[in-house]
Amino acid sequence: DVKVTQSSRYLVKRTGEKVFLECVQDMDHENMFWYRQDPGLGLRLIYFSYDVKMKEKGDIPEGYSVSREKKERFSLILESASTNQTSMYLCASSSRGRAIYGYTFGSGTRLTVV
Amino acid sequence: AQSVTQPDIHITVSEGASLELRCNYSYGATPYLFWYVQSPGQGLQLLLKYFSGDTLVQGIKGFEAEFKRSQSSFNLRKPSVHWSDAAEYFCAVGPGGATNKLIFGTGTLLAVQP
Repeated sequence: DVKVTQSSRYLVKRTGEKVFLECVQDMDHENMFWYRQDPGLGLRLIYFSYDVKMKEKGDIPEGYSVSREKKERFSLILESASTNQTSMYLCASSSRGRAIYGYTFGSGTRLTVV
Repeated sequence: AQSVTQPDIHITVSEGASLELRCNYSYGATPYLFWYVQSPGQGLQLLLKYFSGDTLVQGIKGFEAEFKRSQSSFNLRKPSVHWSDAAEYFCAVGPGGATNKLIFGTGTLLAVQP
């Protein structure tokens, strides 16, 4: 089975800090995604990447950036963390040629900004 | 525009009772359809998917879903709910294509009463 691993389950950071959320997948998937999940708002797409060094903005990219230097790793960066970025962050990956399989998700990172 | 609607934000059922979670979509062609489940504090796990063929699809944990093109629906069902089914359920529709982006509904939170 594909595994998507998010490096931290829980993080507490201070306002203004630069925060890195790491995601690694082990099945050679081309596509990787970062979502944030908030109560009542469902999953909102922050950024996605369909190849190494390629990235596209999702629905709520403000305040975030991403990096994909290797195919298996997709990092989400909060340049200057703010309290309104307190949320659950979910990483997912998928195969370009196998849309029917949908996404595989990581276990999530619960980020609290104080 | 493509969209997914889950009209029920919160549902409570008794253990052993049957369950139906509703999902309606708006999409120009035959979509890829998915149901995911999220246990508290976890990532999303794929329950089942539909791409083509038999409109009644079976998934894991005893769940099934029926694709009804005329109603643009893909409702999730289970004949007898167990306490461990308490979770949040997300319906998603896929446009496919190279980046395979999915559109998620806002989720239905299921509570199970003893």
